[in-house]
Amino acid sequence: AQKVTQAQTEISVVEKEDVTLDCVYETRDTTYYLFWYKQPPSGELVFLIRRNSFDEQNEISGRYSWNFQKSTSSFNFTITASQVVDSAVYFCALSWVSGNTPLVFGKGTRLSVIA
Amino acid sequence: DGGITQSPKYLFRKEGQNVTLSCEQNLNHDAMYWYRQDPGQGLRLIYYSQIVNDFQKGDIAEGYSVSREKKESFPLTVTSAQKNPTAFYLCASSMRDGYTFGSGTRLTVV
Repeated sequence: AQKVTQAQTEISVVEKEDVTLDCVYETRDTTYYLFWYKQPPSGELVFLIRRNSFDEQNEISGRYSWNFQKSTSSFNFTITASQVVDSAVYFCALSWVSGNTPLVFGKGTRLSVIA
Repeated sequence: DGGITQSPKYLFRKEGQNVTLSCEQNLNHDAMYWYRQDPGQGLRLIYYSQIVNDFQKGDIAEGYSVSREKKESFPLTVTSAQKNPTAFYLCASSMRDGYTFGSGTRLTVV
């Protein structure tokens, strides 16, 4: 069975602080995909990143960076110099094969960035 | 533009009534999904369909029904058997290039 755990339910930071959102996953599959989504108050899910299990390279996109470590089954997300617009719920998700199988989501981390 | 349309955005129903949530996609995606979101619970899978005329139960299918008569459409019916239907419902579709989500329907049962 697949499982995603986001242990941090809520995080509050002051603007310009760095913040890391943790994600730990469980799967018996050797091929899988990991995702991060952002859900602002409006409710829609905004895709941030997809990473396949064969690619352990860290990725940086502007203020966002992701650290994928298969040895610890973790796929953590860091926001550098946080801004108020980063306030949202962030979900980590896992799928067996990207394409036609359901995403398994963690319970999400609510991030509040205070000005 | 291609995407997923969920309607309506807000829906109110009286307890004991069945209600159908619409989900339409024009992305030519084979697979479609319904998720339910409650505060602090994340997104839980209700049903999914990988091909027309076929669908599978997810983790919380009780009290819900679906159909997949057309590739573009995957409506979800919330029946009176669903004990606590008030929630935010998200529809999604996918192919190898990734997943696309609708903007959601917030259902309130009074």
